[in-house]
Amino acid sequence: GAVVSQHPSWVICKSGTSVKIECRSLDFQATTMFWYRQFPKQSLMLMATSNEGSKATYEQGVEKDKFLINHASLTLSTLTVTSAHPEDSSFYICSARDRGWTDTQYFGPGTRLTVL
Amino acid sequence: KQEVTQIPAALSVPEGENLVLNCSFTDSAIYNLQWFRQDPGKGLTSLLLIQSSQREQTSGRLNASLDKSSGRSTLYIAASQPGDSATYLCAENGGYQKVTFGTGTKLQVIP
Repeated sequence: GAVVSQHPSWVICKSGTSVKIECRSLDFQATTMFWYRQFPKQSLMLMATSNEGSKATYEQGVEKDKFLINHASLTLSTLTVTSAHPEDSSFYICSARDRGWTDTQYFGPGTRLTVL
Repeated sequence: KQEVTQIPAALSVPEGENLVLNCSFTDSAIYNLQWFRQDPGKGLTSLLLIQSSQREQTSGRLNASLDKSSGRSTLYIAASQPGDSATYLCAENGGYQKVTFGTGTKLQVIP
């Protein structure tokens, strides 16, 4: 089956620093990738849709200048949390769309971000 | 705005019991529905994917059904085991890959 990886799996950083999270589709090309955020004891909420070669589309309430998304190739999307603050601490999960016959999203293992 | 609700929010059963998890969605134009498992502090593990043209999917002790007319999906787990303890999420894909996740059911199987 299709595999999506994320790096790093966890990261701890100081308040005010920036953190980059990578999402890779390992065995298929993904023109569209998605970024989700999950706060403790809550479900996943879509943050943004990342399209290869174009600007990302952000959901309402998500600051595009804070969460920078780059989808420079068909197998890689990155999410950069700029000037991170403790309230940004969360579990970030990406998914990649495989436009095969099932048109399915495959999810990465997630990245746990802790901002001190 | 699409809504996906899961009932119950938490469930505790003795080992060996058969159980049913429920997922309700409001999107009448559902494309497909997926069930996931999430262990504490971990990512998502895909369990079953049901296309809108299908009524059910089976994998081992798991069986998922889909009823578009009533906006419901169920995940049936047979002969539950302690290793099944996790949070189960359903996710409805309303087309154009707009996926809405449910609130989750936290399952605990007691040995």
